[in-house]
Amino acid sequence: DTEVTQTPKHLVMGMTNKKSLKCEQHMGHRAMYWYKQKAKKPPELMFVYSYEKLSINESVPSRFSPECPNSSLLNLHLHALQPEDSALYLCASSQDPGQGTSNEKLFFGSGTQLSVL
Amino acid sequence: AQTVTQSQPEMSVQEAETVTLSCTYDTSESDYYLFWYKQPPSRQMILVIRQEAYKQQNATENRFSVNFQKAAKSFSLKISDSQLGDAAMYFCAYRTPGTYKYIFGTGTRLKVLA
Repeated sequence: DTEVTQTPKHLVMGMTNKKSLKCEQHMGHRAMYWYKQKAKKPPELMFVYSYEKLSINESVPSRFSPECPNSSLLNLHLHALQPEDSALYLCASSQDPGQGTSNEKLFFGSGTQLSVL
Repeated sequence: AQTVTQSQPEMSVQEAETVTLSCTYDTSESDYYLFWYKQPPSRQMILVIRQEAYKQQNATENRFSVNFQKAAKSFSLKISDSQLGDAAMYFCAYRTPGTYKYIFGTGTRLKVLA
């Protein structure tokens, strides 16, 4: 299984709603990532979890709250979002770069297209 | 700080022809990895090809090959025998070993004409 599965594929939410994005992988990867991508732009890193611990937070607003319940799952909890948060949210996983594996690469999910009204 | 530049926002190629996408980068590191990722309309980013800076030999994957010029800090992608399924956004990316951060270029949209 070389897939990263993201749910839901599409999400529309109001600014007062609370919702969660989910990501799952069964490749034994110990690094998991959240990226935000605006249309026609490259992905922007938001968070990185390594061995289920938050390693990187790219100064993301607190209305985005990541969670890594176990080594296969990654969640992104959303609360009080703004219309400018509308974007494609991509999850990715990889072997831990710190291990220096020669074939390390990012495996991406197909994303959640989020619209905030 | 490292940067990645893709100077071609959009390219077109006739089916079965060859096209080259450009990427330049700036770094003071001697060891690093370079990648080309493809993002089709399905939105899932897929690795096309990967190059380790310490390897002089250019990477190849079937119809995809790179021209890696380390001194010039250039990493172009050549797609041979272009197919309709190659139509996508292509992102060049850089990563320093041992780090989690990938630095992406702004992307090149490739259109394949039948």
